[in-house]
Amino acid sequence: DVVLTQTPPTLSATIGQSVSISCRSSQSLLHSNGNTYLHWLLQRPGQSPQLLIYLVSRLESGVPNRFSGSGSGTDFTLKISGVEAEDLGVYYCVQGTHAPWTFGGGTKLELK
Amino acid sequence: QVQLKESGPVLVQASETLSLTCTVSGFSLTNYGVIWVRQPPGKGLEWMGIIWRNGNTDYNSALKSRLSINRDTSKSQVFLKMNSLQTDDTAIYYCTRSWDYWGQGVMVTVSS
Repeated sequence: DVVLTQTPPTLSATIGQSVSISCRSSQSLLHSNGNTYLHWLLQRPGQSPQLLIYLVSRLESGVPNRFSGSGSGTDFTLKISGVEAEDLGVYYCVQGTHAPWTFGGGTKLELK
Repeated sequence: QVQLKESGPVLVQASETLSLTCTVSGFSLTNYGVIWVRQPPGKGLEWMGIIWRNGNTDYNSALKSRLSINRDTSKSQVFLKMNSLQTDDTAIYYCTRSWDYWGQGVMVTVSS
């Protein structure tokens, strides 16, 4: 199975600070069809996860543009340009290129 | 608007079978796949399986021998059945439409 390693596991930030989360895959996530099925989710406390970024860098509708995704192959990054209080929670990367689909272990974003 | 809602028993005895229903609205099951994900208390997310828009299914290999996913397109419902439950199957079970819309989840406790 593909292993997704997220770092850091915990991230402390102040409001307005820019932060990045890394997601590294044990295999290339480039599918034979040319797509890279790497997505980013945010789970706020007590809530269901929500989609932020799909296919590495595409911003889901309604998601603020302070969120951005980048990367290719095995290395991917989620960046938040100016953390706001509503961004607190656990961030997960998930891959859908190789079955079984797998999640990263999560990165908890806390207020400093 | 798009909605998904999970329903089913909140308490199941060990060794028994879990049956959950995901009732969707605002879209057709013949146009979108539906994914099942679970989350043990205080832990990360686990992909369980998907029923594609054409009715084909893929399962997490770790659960494949115990898991089945089916649907009734006329009722806009997707069904999850998992047998031989153990206490470590205690989790919140979510259904999601290809990551972009999620149900609120149902907490299932497996009692020994």
